[in-house]
Amino acid sequence: DIQMTQSPSSVSASVGDRVTITCRASQGISNYLAWFQQKPGKAPKSLIYAASSLQSGVPSKFSGSGSGTDFTLTISSLQPEDLATYYCQQYLAFPYTFGQGTKLEIK
Amino acid sequence: QLQLQESGPGLVKPSETLSLTCTVSGGSVTSTNSFWGWIRQPPGKGLEWIGSLYSGGSTSYNPSLKSRVTISVDASKNQFSLKLDSVTASDTAVYFCSKRGNGYYWGQGILVTVSS
Repeated sequence: DIQMTQSPSSVSASVGDRVTITCRASQGISNYLAWFQQKPGKAPKSLIYAASSLQSGVPSKFSGSGSGTDFTLTISSLQPEDLATYYCQQYLAFPYTFGQGTKLEIK
Repeated sequence: QLQLQESGPGLVKPSETLSLTCTVSGGSVTSTNSFWGWIRQPPGKGLEWIGSLYSGGSTSYNPSLKSRVTISVDASKNQFSLKLDSVTASDTAVYFCSKRGNGYYWGQGILVTVSS
């Protein structure tokens, strides 16, 4: 199985800050990577697919980059509503696997 | 706008079969180059991929569950389904259906508790 490792596991930032979350795959996955946002008690919401393509309807403050084994999700101009846990997922090979999640807190 | 909605019993007894259905609206389960799948999340934990059904008809399952899982499609109802046999308390989770194609879409999830 391809292991996905996110860092940090948690991050605290202030309103207006720029936040970057990283995701590393245990082997190359080209750009077969998605990012999801999960707010407390809610279903995950897709932000990014194919590593850098913005899901329809998602604000452009979210961006993704990377290829191969190293990927980043960047949230610009952090707002209180961005409080959530963020997950990456590889979908190059079965079984699809998720990172352990990054909990974003607002200072 | 594609929408997915899970349905099924919220309580299943140990050793029985968990059966869930995902109803698709705003799109078709027969659309090409689409992966229709199930993902679960135990209370307070992370996400686990259960399996997917490709629009061409093939299925793939998580090896950790493979012997107990079946995903199937009913095109006439625009639905796809999950069956998980011989459940135990460790199968208690919120179950989400999803579609991956041009983008990624999720249902709202359904909590299934395994308890006698």
